Amino acid sequence: GNSVTQMEGPVTLSEEAFLTINCTYTATGYPSLFWYVQYPGEGLQLLLKATKADDKGSNKGFEATYRKETTSFHLEKGSVQVSDSAVYFCALSAPGRDDYKLSFGAGTTVTVRA
Amino acid sequence: DSGVTQTPKHLITATGQRVTLRCSPRSGDLSVYWYQQSLDQGLQFLIQYYNGEERAKGNILERFSAQQFPDLHSELNLSSLELGDSALYFCASSVTDGNTIYFGEGSWLTVV
Repeated sequence: GNSVTQMEGPVTLSEEAFLTINCTYTATGYPSLFWYVQYPGEGLQLLLKATKADDKGSNKGFEATYRKETTSFHLEKGSVQVSDSAVYFCALSAPGRDDYKLSFGAGTTVTVRA
Repeated sequence: DSGVTQTPKHLITATGQRVTLRCSPRSGDLSVYWYQQSLDQGLQFLIQYYNGEERAKGNILERFSAQQFPDLHSELNLSSLELGDSALYFCASSVTDGNTIYFGEGSWLTVV
C-alpha cells in the first residue's frame, strides 16, 4: 500500500538556521506529493506540492523536489523564522481504484527559537 | 482561509452520546474527505464522498457514518461515543479526484 515516512521530531532550531525535514514514500503508480503545515491551534494548510518527478514545489521560502529515483520529497528552508514553528506533514496522493485520498506521514514538530 | 467550513469548532460531550459534525466544501468542489487527528494515531483517513456517492473508506468505525447531500455539504455522525474518540476531525475538499485537497480548520471533539 501507499505510505509516507518522515523524520521524527521534535526539531528545535535557532532563528535563521537551515531546516531540512526528510520524507520518503512508497506508492504504486505515479503519486503526487505534498507538504502540509499545521500552526499551533490551527488546521492543516497546504504548503507546497509536486505532481511529477523532478518537479520542485515552493512557497514561503520552503522548497521540496520530487525525486523518483530516491522516492523522496525532502522539505527545506534556508533561513527559518520563529513564525515557522509548526507541525509539518508530508503526504501523498496515489490514485488507484477510485481512491484519491491523502496518506500522511506522522508529522514533524519544528520549534524555532529567537 | 481554505474555503472549507466546519462546524462546530469545539464540542464537549459525554460518553455514549451522539454528535454530528458538518462540513461545507469549497465552492465547486465535488469531493469531500473526512480525517481524524489524534495524538496516538496521527492523521487517519476516514471516508471520502464524491458528488454524493461514497468513494473510498478508510479506518472508519462502524459507530461512525457520513453522507454528502445534494448541495455537496457533508456530515459526519459519531455515535456511542467513547473517550478514545476525542480528537480533531478534519473535513477537506477537492474539485474532483486527483486535484489538490484543501482542509478546513477542524472540529475539536472532547468526550468526557
